[in-house]
Amino acid sequence: NAGVTQTPKFQVLKTGQSMTLQCAQDMNHNSMYWYRQDPGMGLRLIYYSASEGTTDKGEVPNGYNVSRLNKREFSLRLESAAPSQTSVYFCASTLSGSNQPQHFGDGTRLSIL
Amino acid sequence: GQQVMQIPQYQHVQEGEDFTTYCNSSTTLSNIQWYKQRPGGHPVFLIQLVKSGEVKKQKRLTFQFGEAKKNSSLHITATQTTDVGTYFCAGGTSGTYKYIFGTGTRLKVLA
Repeated sequence: NAGVTQTPKFQVLKTGQSMTLQCAQDMNHNSMYWYRQDPGMGLRLIYYSASEGTTDKGEVPNGYNVSRLNKREFSLRLESAAPSQTSVYFCASTLSGSNQPQHFGDGTRLSIL
Repeated sequence: GQQVMQIPQYQHVQEGEDFTTYCNSSTTLSNIQWYKQRPGGHPVFLIQLVKSGEVKKQKRLTFQFGEAKKNSSLHITATQTTDVGTYFCAGGTSGTYKYIFGTGTRLKVLA
C-alpha cells in the first residue's frame, strides 16, 4: 500500500545541471501536484495535472517543466538548476479536484551548489 | 493573486495548555483543509470543511470554517507532546483544481 512514491529522496546538483524528479501514485487518482517547501514559506504550487493529458502552471512555475506520463506518473524537470531551486519538493495526488484530500509523498530534498 | 495567511508563525506551549492557529484567505473559498506535518515528514490530511460556519471535532482538535468562508481556525485542547509539528491550512476554490496553502504554524510543546 505505497500511496505516493517519490524518487530520489535526496539529491545534490551543481548549478546548471539538469535532473528529473519522479512521482508515482497507486491510488488510481486523477489529479497530481508538485509543490516546493521553503522555510517560512509553506507549500507553493509549481505545476499540477488535473487529469491525464493535462498540465497547468501553479504559483511558481519558472525554471521547471512537467510531464504527466500516464495516470500514475507525474515528473518534474529542472532544465538548468539554480541555487534558488534548493528546496524540498513534494508530490501529491487527489481523486479529482480541489475538494478532495491530498496524499503526499515523502519528498525529495534537493540542494543546488 | 489569491493569498492565504496563517498566524501565528510559531507557538511554544507548555504541555496541557491550549493552542489555536488562524487562517485567512483574500478570497472566498469553496472548502478548507487542514494538514499536519511532523518534523522531517510530509503533510498529512486532517480534515476538510465545506459549509459556511461549519464546526468539526476530532478528539482534542476543533476546526471551524467562518461564515463568509474566508477564514478558519484549528484549536487543540490540552496539548500533548505528540501534537508537535507544523499545521497548515489549504484553501480550495470552486471550479479549479488548485489549493493555496497557508504559511503554516509551527507548534512546539514543552513537557
